[in-house]
Amino acid sequence: QQPVQSPQAVILREGEDAVINCSSSKALYSVHWYRQKHGEAPVFLMILLKGGEQKGHDKISASFNEKKQQSSLYLTASQLSYSGTYFCGTEMDSNYQLIWGAGTKLIIKP
Amino acid sequence: NAGVTQTPKFQVLKTGQSMTLQCAQDMNHNSMYWYRQDPGMGLRLIYYSASEGTTDKGEVPNGYNVSRLNKREFSLRLESAAPSQTSVYFCASSQGTERETQYFGPGTRLLVL
Repeated sequence: QQPVQSPQAVILREGEDAVINCSSSKALYSVHWYRQKHGEAPVFLMILLKGGEQKGHDKISASFNEKKQQSSLYLTASQLSYSGTYFCGTEMDSNYQLIWGAGTKLIIKP
Repeated sequence: NAGVTQTPKFQVLKTGQSMTLQCAQDMNHNSMYWYRQDPGMGLRLIYYSASEGTTDKGEVPNGYNVSRLNKREFSLRLESAAPSQTSVYFCASSQGTERETQYFGPGTRLLVL
C-alpha cells in the first residue's frame, strides 16, 4: 500500500528544475507533501485534494492526477535551501490517515 | 510559541525495559499523532488522537500504548521494548484530522539493545 516515490534520489545544480513523483496503487483522496532536512522534523509543503483544491506555499507547485492516482511536485530554479528528503503522504481510504512514501533525497550543489 | 515539543531527545533502552515518550503542543490543536521513522521506509503512523478523549490505532500499533492526557499532551508508552522498536519517533499535531497541515516535533531517537 505504500506509495512509490521516484526518483529515489536526484542531484541538481543550483538553478535547475526537478520533478518528484508519487504513485499509488489505490484511489487517493488527498496527497500531502513534506520536506525533511537531515536530523530535523518534516515540514509541510502542500496538500492536494481530490477535486483540485490545493493548500500550500506559493513558491512550490504540484499536480494531482486522480485518474492515474499520482502526484508530482515541481521545484523550479532550485536553491540550496531546497536540499532535503521529500515525502508524500497519501490518504487512501477517506479516513484521513496518511500512508507515506519512502522519500526522495534531493541534493542541490552550488 | 514552542510548537510541538518532545522528550527525551535520545534514549537507550535494554530489551524488556519500559519507557514513555512525552509530547506536548501549544497551538490549541485538536488532533495529535505518533509516527515512527525507519531508514528507507518513510513515516508510519502508530496511534493518533482525533480529539481529546479519543485514541485510535494507526498502521503499526503493536507493542505501543498511548494516552491523551489532555488537549495539549499525548504520550506514547513502550511496555517491553524490543530491538525492532529502535527508530526515530515523531509526534505531530493538527487543527483537525480532515486533511489539515501536520506540525511535527523534533523527534526522539530510541535505541533498544
